[in-house]
Amino acid sequence: QSALTQPPSASGSPGQSVAISCTGTTSDVGGYNYVSWYQQHPGKAPKLMVFEVSKRPSGVPDRFSGSKSGNTASLTVSGLQADDEADYYCCSYAGGNYVFGTGTKVTVL
Amino acid sequence: EVEMVESGGGLAQPGGSLRLSCAASGFTFSNYWMSWVRQAPGKGLEWVAKIKPDGSENLHVESVKGRFTISRDNAKNSLYLQMNSLRVEDTAVYYCARYTSYHFDYWGQGTLVTVSS
Repeated sequence: QSALTQPPSASGSPGQSVAISCTGTTSDVGGYNYVSWYQQHPGKAPKLMVFEVSKRPSGVPDRFSGSKSGNTASLTVSGLQADDEADYYCCSYAGGNYVFGTGTKVTVL
Repeated sequence: EVEMVESGGGLAQPGGSLRLSCAASGFTFSNYWMSWVRQAPGKGLEWVAKIKPDGSENLHVESVKGRFTISRDNAKNSLYLQMNSLRVEDTAVYYCARYTSYHFDYWGQGTLVTVSS
């Protein structure tokens, strides 16, 4: 199972929006509505931000939103804040297994 | 408060063994699937294994099948990963994660495993 493809980096100024794509195949992203997104600050554990494509856990701001079209899922961070600067990983159920994305480093300019 | 604390990492030689532990608290451990996820230095996340709440079913990623075994002791609220025949490419931070509805909702802080001669 190959890793899902994410852009290595994305950036935006405070208050702006940034969108991160996550491309897989019909065996993972395209086959199931079980895409989740994780935020990871340097040296810290990952934190769940979105699950089941577009649902947010309690405590996650509505500035974080997820969507999916075909084999590509996306995470949009609106109203960028300094603390949003981190690595972001998508993850998809793949029929028993789980496959993560390659990761995207978001920089707040 | 949900908390997972991993232990057991360290330095191992290629071909050697290590047993990782994860102590869980703040939730009914026996009701949840649990997983191990690893992250090689400077690299992305990789799912390693998952185990059913009662321990009767588990699944491992192809690259560790036959070498790693996930297990649990619900009486001790603990998750384990027995790692045998370690390879240099197994070097990573290993995270214990609670798994529910096809996502990982809580993670421990991780334990570093280094495989080197």
